[in-house]
Amino acid sequence: SYELTQPPSVSVSPGQTASITCSGDKLGDKYVWWYQQKPGQSPVLVIYQVTKRPSGIPERFSGSSSGNTAILTISGSQAMDEADYHCQAWDSSTVVFGGGTRLTVL
Amino acid sequence: EVQLVESGGGLVQPGRSLRLSCVASGFTFDDFAVHWVRQVPGKGLEWVSGISWSSANIGYADSVKGRFTISRDNAKKSLYLQMDSLRAEDTALYYCAKGTGGSYKGGLDYWGQGTLVTVSS
Repeated sequence: SYELTQPPSVSVSPGQTASITCSGDKLGDKYVWWYQQKPGQSPVLVIYQVTKRPSGIPERFSGSSSGNTAILTISGSQAMDEADYHCQAWDSSTVVFGGGTRLTVL
Repeated sequence: EVQLVESGGGLVQPGRSLRLSCVASGFTFDDFAVHWVRQVPGKGLEWVSGISWSSANIGYADSVKGRFTISRDNAKKSLYLQMDSLRAEDTALYYCAKGTGGSYKGGLDYWGQGTLVTVSS
């Protein structure tokens, strides 16, 4: 079965750029979605189809993908961005999630 | 405003059954796929099942295939998950989520608050 791999944790200083990776076989050939989940809350879509931002999502969130890796980039990270981030793709009739990455802003 | 409200969770013994429901509002329900996704507290998200707008296409995670059945009633704007032969490892918060298109082969753009299922004797 298809697998997506994310680092368990990423740390970033306020105002700096955070990059969260998601790796999978030929992931660059697939659409990727990214979700933000704050403690005690439901996930929120922040990036869809690799690079697109839903309305209401700040411009500091961006996505890219190439080869086997997709990247969620948060430019000018803020304290409010501290959360878990989950990548997701679709393969062989199933939706697949990565294991999630805890972003700490400190 | 899109809303998805789950219900039906609770404490159930191993081997027993439970049926989850999700009522949708704020969008044209029968135009979109809908999904069930679960999460053990403190852990990652696990996709459980998805169903296309017309119910013609359905998918399941290997971990629940043969035990869980997804269905929808477009007239009632409702999604269901029949869970049979429950196991301790099915214990999780179950989310209902709206797909981004009519096929379940895509992303999820709105999520409910979840309903907690606990499988224990």
